[in-house]
Amino acid sequence: GAVVSQHPSWVICKSGTSVKIECRSLDFQATTMFWYRQFPKQSLMLMATSNEGSKATYEQGVEKDKFLINHASLTLSTLTVTSAHPEDSSFYICSAPRTGKLFFGSGTQLSVL
Amino acid sequence: QQQVKQSPQSLIVQKGGISIINCAYENTAFDYFPWYQQFPGKGPALLIAIRPDVSEKKEGRFTISFNKSAKQFSLHIMDSQPGDSATYFCAASLNYGGATNKLIFGTGTLLAVQP
Repeated sequence: GAVVSQHPSWVICKSGTSVKIECRSLDFQATTMFWYRQFPKQSLMLMATSNEGSKATYEQGVEKDKFLINHASLTLSTLTVTSAHPEDSSFYICSAPRTGKLFFGSGTQLSVL
Repeated sequence: QQQVKQSPQSLIVQKGGISIINCAYENTAFDYFPWYQQFPGKGPALLIAIRPDVSEKKEGRFTISFNKSAKQFSLHIMDSQPGDSATYFCAASLNYGGATNKLIFGTGTLLAVQP
């Protein structure tokens, strides 16, 4: 069964609004989680590393003020896309390591109108 | 040095055939090489993984072959089935087993298995 739960599966929002995506580790604690972004028919690009109790680490070129990450507990990380615009439309996927392996959530398809 | 190159971009195989996907890397510090399977609209699912201290790992119909000197690894899917039709990603990371597990993904291979 799934070890990482991600919600929502899809979301449609108006331009200028903010959207929050949740990622939960099921039955295990994750001090670190990762957020990826994937465009259609392309690979996964790491956006940021979410660290429980401290600031997230962003990859080069990722706007930290646009993509707010909060890892408030050992089982929950959230990604908030602030003031979303159509170019932010994408498939966002979280992941968490467990026993040396990286497990992914089911992804969130964000469409910004 | 952080790139993982994957080929082919797409692959068509007849049912029962062998699907082969190849990946190459530059960074010799990578110590964990997983393969992921992704269906449309879903997150990637871990298929099989290998560490550089072994040259081959087999799990059911899936086999990873690893060539450390050539810095290449490949996925073989035996007796390919239509249900195997998906996008496959190779990946590499540092610090196997550690909390980081920061994965670098290949570009993906779209596999279509024809009945």
